[in-house]
Amino acid sequence: QPVLTQSSSASASLGSSVKLTCTLSSGHSDYIIAWHLQQPGKAPRHLMRLEGSGSYNKGSGVPDRFAGSSSGADRYLTISNLQSEDEADYYCETWDTNTQIFGGGTKLTVL
Amino acid sequence: EVRLVESEGGLVQPAGSLRLSCAASGFTFSSYAMSWVRQAPGKGLEWVSTISASGGSTYYADSVKGRFTISRDNSKNTVYLQMNSLRAADTAVYYCAKDRGTTVTAVDSWGQGTLVTVSS
Repeated sequence: QPVLTQSSSASASLGSSVKLTCTLSSGHSDYIIAWHLQQPGKAPRHLMRLEGSGSYNKGSGVPDRFAGSSSGADRYLTISNLQSEDEADYYCETWDTNTQIFGGGTKLTVL
Repeated sequence: EVRLVESEGGLVQPAGSLRLSCAASGFTFSSYAMSWVRQAPGKGLEWVSTISASGGSTYYADSVKGRFTISRDNSKNTVYLQMNSLRAADTAVYYCAKDRGTTVTAVDSWGQGTLVTVSS
């Protein structure tokens, strides 16, 4: 089954852009993933479904500042015009026949 | 609007049992698989279990297999998680989640979560 690898932390300045990466393990580069964000003390929120082609579908109410893209086994989440409320943990997720798999999460700090 | 409301968790002694429920609304419940995902204090998200849309297929993480049972009542738009033989390592916030498809896929909606603490 696939393994999802995420950097443990990232930081960027208020108003700038940041690109978070989720990498699929060898042999699973065509898998679809989902991105979720979890603000401190809150439940996760679904952001988008992202295919290997780079096509993505955002969840209800997700701002235009959030975009997805793909390259090989890498799945990206780009956040533009960073706001203070974007400071959160970001998780990628995929699935195999009988299981869901989560990445370890990236903690994004907005400076 | 999708709404998932978990029942209250609580404090349970080791080896004890607890049943969580999740009431769903805002979508055709019987058309989607449902999952439970947990998060131990200070840790990341961990998939626990999924039940298919019809209820005919269930899937479990190795860490809970044989101890937890997921079920659903499509007439009540409710999914359940029966947790037996609880251990300290099961202490976590448990999230009810709606999957995108009829069987195991990715989550596309989350509940607010409920805390289960296993301690003597």
